[in-house]
Amino acid sequence: EAQVTQNPRYLITVTGKKLTVTCSQNMNHEYMSWYRQDPGLGLRQIYYSMNVEVTDKGDVPEGYKVSRKEKRNFPLILESPSPNQTSLYFCASSLFSSPSSGANVLTFGAGSRLTVL
Amino acid sequence: DAKTTQPNSMESNEEEPVHLPCNHSTISGTDYIHWYRQLPSQGPEYVIHGLTSNVNNRMASLAIAEDRKSSTLILHRATLRDAAVYYCILRDVQYNFNKFYFGSGTKLNVKP
Repeated sequence: EAQVTQNPRYLITVTGKKLTVTCSQNMNHEYMSWYRQDPGLGLRQIYYSMNVEVTDKGDVPEGYKVSRKEKRNFPLILESPSPNQTSLYFCASSLFSSPSSGANVLTFGAGSRLTVL
Repeated sequence: DAKTTQPNSMESNEEEPVHLPCNHSTISGTDYIHWYRQLPSQGPEYVIHGLTSNVNNRMASLAIAEDRKSSTLILHRATLRDAAVYYCILRDVQYNFNKFYFGSGTKLNVKP
C-alpha cells in the first residue's frame, strides 16, 4: 500500500532531550516536507526536500533540523526540544516538485503528537 | 504570497449537497487551486485540484470562477464520513512551487 509512515505516533519528552521523528515513504517520491499543526494556526511548513541531499527551510524552521540521505526517508530532528515545540507534526510527500508540477498532490502521514515538558 | 479565505465552519444535512467557498482574490495566473480535507485524528488527504476549468472526480467537484478569484468545492451528497476540516490552498508554480500554504480551513459538520 502506498503510504507515508511516521514514528513515533505519540511522544512525551522533556526539555533539552534530543529526539528524532522518522518519516518514510514507499512511493519513490522526490519531494518530502514536514508540517506542524497548532490550534488556530493551521498547518505550517517547517522544512522541505526536493530530492536526496537537497533541503530548504519552510516558514517555521527554528529549532528543527532535517536530513535527506535516502530518497525514502526524511527525519525531523529536534536537537534541544522546548515546550513551544509541543505540537502535532505531519510528514508529506509528492512525486516531484518543480515549476511544471503544479498538479502534484501531497500524501500525508498519520501524524506524530509531540509533548515537550 | 497568494492566500485564501474560508469560512471557519459550515453545517450540512446528510445526503444533501454542500458548497464550500474559498476566496483567493490575489491569485496569480500560474497558481493551482488545491483542496484537501482532514478527517478527525488523521492527516490531510487530497480531494481535488484545478487551474482554470471546473473539475470533477469521484470525491467532489471544483467550480472555479471565471476571474479565478474564488472557487467552490461541491460535495454532491454529504455523508457523515465527510465531516472534516476542508482546506483550500494555492500552489504557486512560478516562485514558491515548493511551498503549500494551508490556512485554518472550514470545519464541516454533517447532521444525520
